[in-house]
Amino acid sequence: GAGVSQSPRYKVAKRGQDVALRCDPISGHVSLFWYQQALGQGPEFLTYFQNEAQLDKSGLPSDRFFAERPEGSVSTLKIQRTQQEDSAVYLCASSRRPAGQGTDTQYFGPGTRLTVL
Amino acid sequence: GQQVMQIPQYQHVQEGEDFTTYCNSSTTLSNIQWYKQRPGGHPVFLIQLVKSGEVKKQKRLTFQFGEAKKNSSLHITATQTTDVGTYFCAGTSGTYKYIFGTGTRLKVLA
Repeated sequence: GAGVSQSPRYKVAKRGQDVALRCDPISGHVSLFWYQQALGQGPEFLTYFQNEAQLDKSGLPSDRFFAERPEGSVSTLKIQRTQQEDSAVYLCASSRRPAGQGTDTQYFGPGTRLTVL
Repeated sequence: GQQVMQIPQYQHVQEGEDFTTYCNSSTTLSNIQWYKQRPGGHPVFLIQLVKSGEVKKQKRLTFQFGEAKKNSSLHITATQTTDVGTYFCAGTSGTYKYIFGTGTRLKVLA
């Protein structure tokens, strides 16, 4: 595809339910980032993948959050036992090169808006 | 931990007026990026600055990176209605972790 795609675009979950959010990065992009964006705030870093390796997961809020990128392309962010404070837009971004090597242009997907009731 | 603040939080300007947003980091940055996010949209990359004191221009937009690499600014000359959106800076201290600023929401009145 021409850009980063994410699915679903909208997700409503009941508190305690598990959710899985998918990110399809631009083909061939090495770097993949997940961010959480609360209403009226800037994106907050969650985790970073370089190919299939998760090099930084320091931004994940709790052990209920888990991300994977098993084949170095598609990534999934899973949230277990969702809580109301998890409600936010989850953004995925990909970049052609490994982070820190030249211009790290991050191409963002449209995001998944998660609402936990 | 590292914090990145932006001012102002909101700015309303008349079309044709200039606009500036300022970004300040609590730590020295290895590079800083600027993004624009339209209402309901996702962040779109504008530029990356790497060198101390660097100035880059894109048409009506001028970006600066401070000498100490702890602050940056974005200046828009003669704003247009298409400039509406929230402008974010994002900096890293050399890790994979980009810290986004709080954003400046720009409204342009025709």
